Formats: sequence, structure tokens, C-alpha cells
Amino acid sequence: DAGITQSPRHKVTETGTPVTLRCHQTENHRYMYWYRQDPGHGLRLIHYSYGVKDTDKGEVSDGYSVSRSKTEDFLLTLESATSSQTSVYFCAISPGLGGVGELFFGEGSRLTVL
Amino acid sequence: GDSVTQMEGPVTLSEEAFLTINCTYTATGYPSLFWYVQYPGEGLQLLLKATKADDKGSNKGFEATYRKETTSFHLEKGSVQVSDSAVYFCALRGTQGGSEKLVFGKGTKLTVNP
Repeated sequence: DAGITQSPRHKVTETGTPVTLRCHQTENHRYMYWYRQDPGHGLRLIHYSYGVKDTDKGEVSDGYSVSRSKTEDFLLTLESATSSQTSVYFCAISPGLGGVGELFFGEGSRLTVL
Repeated sequence: GDSVTQMEGPVTLSEEAFLTINCTYTATGYPSLFWYVQYPGEGLQLLLKATKADDKGSNKGFEATYRKETTSFHLEKGSVQVSDSAVYFCALRGTQGGSEKLVFGKGTKLTVNP
């Protein structure tokens, strides 16, 4: 199994509070991704990183920020959580999608915003 | 932009039945195509892939052929098992800007009854 750990795995919070989700990898892969999974929408990319301090937006980045100060950690922050951000969040890593590259996913973090 | 459309579920089959899950895509150039599977309570994992037209990806009895002329990558299995019950996602990696990202379909839930 790919060495990906997401924390916390479950969180319940209230509207307006800040939330940070952590993704930790032991594979030393260059690329890291945050997706959210919602019924009827599949997986949608929030942000991704292609190296330390190098990040870019995905299709649903509004209301989210990310940081990557070390190769192994990619943090997703909701500055002020809203009920529309209730979702399951997946981190994924990849050495690169060229050639035989593929995405390896963590087990997900279920966030409920009341 | 790039997009993936897959048949809506849920799909319910009896054990040993034939499975087809349709997937079509819109993309410029020659994208790479993937099928991922998500078992209950887990993250996604790669099932199979194809990187050029007419390639056939296969794994665990599942197959999919990259058809450029019909822009399709349908997933098939000749005889499903109860253990195949999962959500299946079709995905593509484009060749234009942002080629280190995967675009996913909305997923198709498969339930196989004994």
C-alpha cells in the first residue's frame, strides 16, 4: 500500500470555524492532490502541488487554501467552514502521471459542517 | 475543457452476469484513460489504464479498450463476483495544460448479488 495518511479521518465542526486537514506521505512523491467526493459529482480537484511551496488551483478551489512546506506534508485549510463544504476529502499522490504514473489515494477524511 | 461522462447507476447484477459500464470523454489530442475502483470505506485505486488509441487495459478480469473514433473507454467483465461490488470511476489525463491532473467521471455504483 502507498504510504499515505490522512488526518483527521472524521471531523464535525460548526459553520465559521477554521479546519485543517493533513495529508502525509512516506513515498517522497513530487505530486500531491486534494479532491472532494460528493454524491452526484464524483471526485473534483480542489488544489494540487507539484513540489515544496509549488501549488495550483483545481476546479473547486474557492474557500480552500493549501500549503506544502515539506515534501511529505500537504495541508488543506478551510478558513471559515460552510455547510457546502461537508464532504469526504481525499488526498492523492503521484510520482508523475507520465509513463506508468498513477494516483495513489488515501482513505479519506469525512468532514461534517453543522 | 476536458470531461468524462459515464453511465449513471446504480447497477445491480447477479453473480456471473456480464458487466458493461459506459464511459465517453471529451478532450483535445490523445488523452490517457483510466478506470479506478473504490471499495466501501476506502480510497480509490487504479484498476486499469490505456495510454493510446486501440490499447486495451486489463486487470482482475476487467477490460477496457481505448476507442478514439468513438471517444470511449467502456469497462467490461465477463462474469462478475460479489466481491466486485464497488464504485467505478472513469478518468482521463489530458495532453494540454494541466496534464498532471486527472479528470474523473461521477462514478457508477455496482452491486452484485449472490
